[in-house]
Amino acid sequence: DSGVTQTPKHLITATGQRVTLRCSPRSGDLSVYWYQQSLDQGLQFLIHYYNGEERAKGNILERFSAQQFPDLHSELNLSSLELGDSALYFCASSVNRAGELFFGEGSRLTVL
Amino acid sequence: LAKTTQPISMDSYEGQEVNITCSHNNIATNDYITWYQQFPSQGPRFIIQGYKTKVTNEVASLFIPADRKSSTLSLPRVSLSDTAVYYCLSGGATNKLIFGTGTLLAVQP
Repeated sequence: DSGVTQTPKHLITATGQRVTLRCSPRSGDLSVYWYQQSLDQGLQFLIHYYNGEERAKGNILERFSAQQFPDLHSELNLSSLELGDSALYFCASSVNRAGELFFGEGSRLTVL
Repeated sequence: LAKTTQPISMDSYEGQEVNITCSHNNIATNDYITWYQQFPSQGPRFIIQGYKTKVTNEVASLFIPADRKSSTLSLPRVSLSDTAVYYCLSGGATNKLIFGTGTLLAVQP
């Protein structure tokens, strides 16, 4: 158990819909990273938050947005969903920026 | 932006030592090198991290030459349960932690 909690674990929705994925980082970790992993693909960096502030963006679509709240949990919002958005979405937290990340179990999104 | 290059796949047999090398030519001065293990449908799991020379823990060793442009993850006496994708990550100086494509290690009996 990494200490990072992601909900929901599975989500099935239709094209055009909007979903919200939630992440609770390990206690004390200020950094939250979001990654997307499509079938048989690598981990695509989406966005990084540190103590409530956005610090870096990767190849995140404009239809996607995220935020980190004062209690340090984070949400990833995916809107106008397309079939290609089907993927595993991972959240990871870290206490520093050295690269030691603790990943949640992921949220599997299926868009039909 | 730091980018890593790894072999796409490797094969090994149980009991052998496996060495997976990663190239990170553009590593920044303050970047660390971190290796992760990922099983299907699970989140990556931290294995080991280093900055230079050699680091060893209970599961692996990490060798980093003086120029830091590459690193080698060494797994002693692999078992079937070590079959997984292994990712090398160089970063930390920036706020982007970008993973490479990973190496699929297949361990056979």
